[in-house]
Formats: sequence, structure tokens, C-alpha cells
Amino acid sequence: QSALTQPVSVSGSPGQSITISCTGTASDVGNYNLVSWYQQHPGKAPKLMIYEDSRRPSGVSSRFSGSKSGNTASLTISGLQAEDEADYFCCSHGGSSSAFMVFGGGTKLTV
Amino acid sequence: EVQLVESGGGLVQPGGSLRLSCAASGFTFNSYSMNWVRQAPGKGLEWISHISHNGIHYADSVQGRFTMSRDDAKNSLYLQMNSLRAEDTAVYYCVGDRQWAFDMWGQGTMVTVSS
Repeated sequence: QSALTQPVSVSGSPGQSITISCTGTASDVGNYNLVSWYQQHPGKAPKLMIYEDSRRPSGVSSRFSGSKSGNTASLTISGLQAEDEADYFCCSHGGSSSAFMVFGGGTKLTV
Repeated sequence: EVQLVESGGGLVQPGGSLRLSCAASGFTFNSYSMNWVRQAPGKGLEWISHISHNGIHYADSVQGRFTMSRDDAKNSLYLQMNSLRAEDTAVYYCVGDRQWAFDMWGQGTMVTVSS
């Protein structure tokens, strides 16, 4: 069982927008502005898409945005494209040594 | 070009040991916190250890069995894995982090624990 809860799957049509949620607790997601999101295509290493809840690394499309409310963070992808089909994982600082960083279980996005 | 290259994975029997290495290049290694993150076949990502100049942290699942270390002079990261179990079977990624985000990933090395 993962520390952060994500939906197993989401789907959308090209051009549409989708949102993936990531629910934690007041000890992790709700306590730090340190949620990050990763995209992983099959057989590839994950790629950082969002950090510090809503900041986008250089080179990541502006179609990807992050937000947070309380203990739930969200990743929104607008203008869906076929290449967005991938697994998405959220992650947060967990606040303790043994839960230093905690991941969500991952969400499969089908476009 | 930023690169993290893991090595040392392979097949090992339950109870055995393995040492993973990660060679870093293309960035100032000693200014980065480093991590090991693993992914069991068909499963999600699991953070297992972190090292910075402030100390080392381990997930409960590997505490007492795995030891992480780094050699900044050699731009290298290591993971000594002892008392391996079947549930340790996974791809192990060497990952650099800044600002609590994993922004640099290696290609991963596969560890299979099986008799």
C-alpha cells in the first residue's frame, strides 16, 4: 500500500484536459510545499514534470500544471496529446527519516 | 551532458548480497543530494534511501539491510544490499534531487532475487 493515494487510471481524448489527484495526510502533502510529479513511459526512467507543488522545470510543456489544496495535490494536463499516455506518480516529502520521501501508487493515463 | 549510470545488478539468491554503483557525470556531484528509488516489475516507484551532507535516511523496508554511501572524489554513489529477499526484486534507479524533487534519473539496473 502506497503512502499517497492516486486513482489507478484516468483517460481522455486528444485536446481534452484531465486531472490526477494525489491524496496524502497533514504529515506529508499537507505539511510541505514539496509535492512533485513524474511521468514514466514504458521501459523508461521517470521524468520530473512538476516540483514544489506547482513549479515546472525548464523544458516541460506548459500544458502540465500542478496545484494543491489541503492534503490533496493535483496534476492537470491540458490539450491532451497522444504522447502524454504514460504512468504518472506523485511524491512528497514525508517528514520522517523512514518516510523521507513517499510516492503515490501511480496513475495510468490513456489518451 | 548529465549522466547517471548504474551498474552491479544481477541475479542473486535469497539471503545473498549485492553492491550497486552509480557513476555521475556532467554536473557538480557533491552539490547534489542523492537517492536510490526502486520499481518492482509492473509496480510503482518506491523511495528507499537518501544521502546528503546532513545525513542518510532509509525506508523501513530496507533499514538494517541496505547501506548507502557516496564518494564525492569519484563522483560515485553506492548501495550495499545484504540479506536480500524476493521482494527486493526490482529495477534500482540512482536519482539526484534538488529542492526535494528527483530531477536526475539513471537508466536503472535490474536486481533479481531468486533461487
